[in-house]
Amino acid sequence: EVQLVESGGGLVQPGRSLRLSCAASGFKFDDYAMHWVRQAPGKGLEWLSGISWNSYSLGYADSVKGRFTISRDNARKSLFLQMDNLRAEDTAFYYCAKDILRGFLGTIDMWGQGTMVSVSS
Amino acid sequence: FMLTQPHSVSESPGKTVTISCTGSGGDIDHNFIQWYQQRPGSVPTILIYEENQRFSGVPDRFSGSIDTSSNSAFLTISGLKTEDEADYYCQSYDNVDPVWVFGGGTKLTVL
Repeated sequence: EVQLVESGGGLVQPGRSLRLSCAASGFKFDDYAMHWVRQAPGKGLEWLSGISWNSYSLGYADSVKGRFTISRDNARKSLFLQMDNLRAEDTAFYYCAKDILRGFLGTIDMWGQGTMVSVSS
Repeated sequence: FMLTQPHSVSESPGKTVTISCTGSGGDIDHNFIQWYQQRPGSVPTILIYEENQRFSGVPDRFSGSIDTSSNSAFLTISGLKTEDEADYYCQSYDNVDPVWVFGGGTKLTVL
């Protein structure tokens, strides 16, 4: 079955860190760029970061640049998002997503079910 | 580069509706436009990519276009069905930096 499964979400205090993981299965993971996209409850989609198939190209939204780090392990078919210095406004569902291209300026054709991150004291 | 969508639109079953996505801070045709559908309680799915290409399995009731004179992209849905009730998002890329840009989303009500 083709799927993406996120993990690592939870409740965390402001200023702390969290690491999200995404396990891919059912497709050739190292042939595609990957993304993290979030959606606050009742709000729209916000692209956070993308990574090319070979990790050579990375991109970050201004809202998370310098605080979040995307990475991937093709051997383990996994995508990661290291989130540091978390803020209340980072509270959202975080989705792992697959691009149709090797570079990340393509189109998302597959989404995980999301993992919820809540930042609160 | 920003993409602006109307907050909501509504139309009756069987009719045609067009959702706009207006670019600011750059030309709408500088990069490809994509359209995603997100039904209530579900994750988004791709409808249209590269401005007017229907993704595999998407009915031909859905079509995409751009109008450079208004710097806008459009998603047109014909023969509306109640199942089309969803949020619709346009998406493109910044003209300078390698980052994605989503529109704010449009809630379509079919009643």
